[in-house]
Amino acid sequence: QVQLVQSGGEVKKPGASVKVSCKASGYTFVSYGISWVRQAPGQGLEWMGWISPYDDNTNYGQKFQGRVTMTTDTSTTAYMELRSLRSDDTAVYYCVRGHSYFGHWGQGTLVTVSS
Amino acid sequence: DIQMTQSPSTLSASVGDRVSITCRATQSISSWLAWYQQKPGKAPKLLIYKASSLESGVPSRFSGRGSGTEFTLTISSLQPDDFATYYCQQYDGYPWTFGQGTKVEIK
Repeated sequence: QVQLVQSGGEVKKPGASVKVSCKASGYTFVSYGISWVRQAPGQGLEWMGWISPYDDNTNYGQKFQGRVTMTTDTSTTAYMELRSLRSDDTAVYYCVRGHSYFGHWGQGTLVTVSS
Repeated sequence: DIQMTQSPSTLSASVGDRVSITCRATQSISSWLAWYQQKPGKAPKLLIYKASSLESGVPSRFSGRGSGTEFTLTISSLQPDDFATYYCQQYDGYPWTFGQGTKVEIK
């Protein structure tokens, strides 16, 4: 079965960077994009961007351009790095399979940004 | 960006009720719309894609309709497991955007 297993929660100071990993299994990794969606506490869902594991093509939301980098490696793991963290980046970050609609989600990684 | 607006924001209903949630887009998105259900502390679950296609394993009491700018998610007979928050999402134009959510509460 399809599984996306994310790395554990992180606490970061403002200005720092965070890198969240997402280990995929149960399907052919290069056949589906990996997207990242975040959810601030008590808030709605926000799409950040996606990467194609097939050719590393990426599409980032303009809000995150210049601050986010999405990568994959041959171990079927996807990564999302967010730099210059601010307090309003505090959120649960989800990796999801697909680049348009999302049928498989990771369990989420809570990133807390606090001084 | 395409803005997605859901109504109502909160819906109080009883088990067995037929409930509908509306999602409106600020411009036509054809049928490129998905619906998700989210329970507290859990990842969202895909219910509907391409406006009306039921995701595998989702009960048939869930249905979606609409095209262009107006869409509806209907639960034909609300079950105890359905009390949750529902989100629509457009995937017609980048950046993909979600509605603000509709919380379905027990009346």
